[in-house]
Amino acid sequence: EAGVAQSPRYKIIEKRQSVAFWCNPISGHATLYWYQQILGQGPKLLIQFQNNGVVDDSQLPKDRFSAERLKGVDSTLKIQPAKLEDSAVYLCASSLNPGVGETQYFGPGTRLLVL
Amino acid sequence: DQQVKQNSPSLSVQEGRISILNCDYTNSMFDYFLWYKKYPAEGPTFLISISSIKDKNEDGRFTVFLNKSAKHLSLHIVPSQPGDSAVYFCAASAMAGNTGKLIFGQGTTLQVKP
Repeated sequence: EAGVAQSPRYKIIEKRQSVAFWCNPISGHATLYWYQQILGQGPKLLIQFQNNGVVDDSQLPKDRFSAERLKGVDSTLKIQPAKLEDSAVYLCASSLNPGVGETQYFGPGTRLLVL
Repeated sequence: DQQVKQNSPSLSVQEGRISILNCDYTNSMFDYFLWYKKYPAEGPTFLISISSIKDKNEDGRFTVFLNKSAKHLSLHIVPSQPGDSAVYFCAASAMAGNTGKLIFGQGTTLQVKP
């Protein structure tokens, strides 16, 4: 079974530029998550999708971050404009269903450096 | 507001000995807890979990203990192997709402020396 795919693996941009990350979850997984992991910290949930609907985006900085999952499969996360503090690893995860006890499977992440 | 805390950034143990990783939480609404393991340049992978109705869950060399009154959980690895060297994250979730949202600790880097 193929795992969660993410691209690109690395990205370096200058502040105020825009950037986009792509995620393809495990086939058949209805729930998709985007996490931000800043160096020395644990992953922090940015947004959770159930199919193509948003379940939780309470910690997404909506003035600069946006995410979509139009067909309920793959997803993109965009930052525009980027700030220095956005330097982090962006992790995508998926699970078969939402809910406690459902194992979340993580992709390898996209490491973003904002200069 | 750090609701899940792993106060030890790193731990070093000898191969064959026990590794004990600790985690504390502050939110009494949390009732499901997980440990994830992360190797460099990879995403976290699920290791073991425990529901608040239990105080112990065991899976092979890995055992998680939960002390609800102290709001504390620990992961025991016995015996430790060099391949266990990784970053370990504790995570917590609440049944209420049932979205599966995970709150992670900062992580503990475990080094197992041959």
